[in-house]
Amino acid sequence: QKEVEQNSGPLSVPEGAIASLNCTYSDRGSQSFFWYRQYSGKSPELIMSIYSNGDKEDGRFTAQLNKASQYVSLLIRDSQPSDSATYLCAVNNGNQGGKLIFGQGTELSVKP
Amino acid sequence: EAGVAQSPRYKIIEKRQSVAFWCNPISGHATLYWYQQILGQGPKLLIQFQNNGVVDDSQLPKDRFSAERLKGVDSTLKIQPAKLEDSAVYLCASSPLLGSPLHFGNGTRLTVT
Repeated sequence: QKEVEQNSGPLSVPEGAIASLNCTYSDRGSQSFFWYRQYSGKSPELIMSIYSNGDKEDGRFTAQLNKASQYVSLLIRDSQPSDSATYLCAVNNGNQGGKLIFGQGTELSVKP
Repeated sequence: EAGVAQSPRYKIIEKRQSVAFWCNPISGHATLYWYQQILGQGPKLLIQFQNNGVVDDSQLPKDRFSAERLKGVDSTLKIQPAKLEDSAVYLCASSPLLGSPLHFGNGTRLTVT
């Protein structure tokens, strides 16, 4: 079982729709959860962090965390073509010295 | 604040040659990471430093890869000898504290022929 697993892509949504990206993790001791966006040929950039169960909203982005189910998701409302990128889920286990493990990424394509 | 600096941006070498990458983290960031990202995959942690000490290097191929962080600031990652499968982007990242979000450099794209 992979430590951090994301739903396979590519995911294609029309402009204005909601994009839903999912991630599961295997270590129950994980404490910090991040979503990074990576444009082709660029480095990952942080878009959301979440540390406790529930929802966290920032503009058009909502991160959802369910530690009991070991599941974290990212919703992008009113998707724009500029949101087209690969989204990386990253999970940190504080008991492992802050080691941050990334999933394989989900490619999102927003069609005008 | 200045971001994470990496050099070179691109490097092409032949297999069995050696190569070195350099990283300068954001000032004051105690934690420094080197990741390897193969095309189409997520970043894979190679080594993590806290100041100038190694926190995790469990996935570093130690027979060919080495890394150091001098005086707890700059870091270099070396590959000797390189293999074809080492072709990837090598990302350096830093964070102020363990567990806090990472700030990435622009990466070094290595091609081994």
